[in-house]
Amino acid sequence: AQTVTQSQPEMSVQEAETVTLSCTYDTSESDYYLFWYKQPPSRQMILVIRQEAYKQQNATENRFSVNFQKAAKSFSLKISDSQLGDAAMYFCAYRSYSGGSNYKLTFGKGTLLTVNP
Amino acid sequence: ETGVTQTPRHLVMGMTNKKSLKCEQHLGHNAMYWYKQSAKKPLELMFVYSLEERVENNSVPSRFSPECPNSSHLFLHLHTLQPEDSALYLCASSQDFQRNQPQHFGDGTRLSIL
Repeated sequence: AQTVTQSQPEMSVQEAETVTLSCTYDTSESDYYLFWYKQPPSRQMILVIRQEAYKQQNATENRFSVNFQKAAKSFSLKISDSQLGDAAMYFCAYRSYSGGSNYKLTFGKGTLLTVNP
Repeated sequence: ETGVTQTPRHLVMGMTNKKSLKCEQHLGHNAMYWYKQSAKKPLELMFVYSLEERVENNSVPSRFSPECPNSSHLFLHLHTLQPEDSALYLCASSQDFQRNQPQHFGDGTRLSIL
C-alpha cells in the first residue's frame, strides 16, 4: 500500500518570501500522480498543482512549483512570493495511474502554513 | 451555484440521533466521494460512487450509510454514532474515477457527537 509522509506539521514564512513544503511517499508503482491540495480556514480543499510521474519536467502553476524527485520519492512544493492568502493547511496526495483502485487518493497528514505580514 | 455544496456546515447530535449529511455537485461529474477528516490524521476515504453505484466501502462501520440517488447528489445517513465519529466530513466529486481527473471538494460538515 502507498503511504504519504509530510514531515513538517507546521511551517511559517514571511510575506513575499519563499517557502518549501516537504512530501515523501512510498510506492512500488512506476506510474502514478501526485497532488498538492490547499485547505484554507474556510475549509474547502482546493487543488494547487499536480504532477504525472512519467513527466520529468516539474509542474508549475504561477507562484507554485514542485520539485519532483522520482528516485528519491520526493515531491516538495515551493511557494514563491508568499501572500497572506496562502495561509492554509497543505496536503500532499498520491494516486495510482492504473488498476482497480486508481481513483483513491492517499493523503499525508498535512502541513499548516502560516504567513507572517 | 457551482462546485460542490455540503449541508449542513455544522451538526451537533447525540449518540442516539439519526441525521443525514447532504452533498450536491453542479459540475456534471460522474463520481462522488465521502472522506472523514480527523485532527492530526490523513483524510480517510469512506465511500466512492460512480454513476450512482457504490464502488468502494472502505471498511466503514454500518452506522454510516451512504446513498446516491443520482449522479449529482450524495447523502451520508448517520445513526447511533460514537464520540470518535466527531470529525469533518468532506464530500468530493470527479469527472470519472477511472481517469486522472482531480477531485473537487466541498466545504465539509463539522460533526460533533455528544
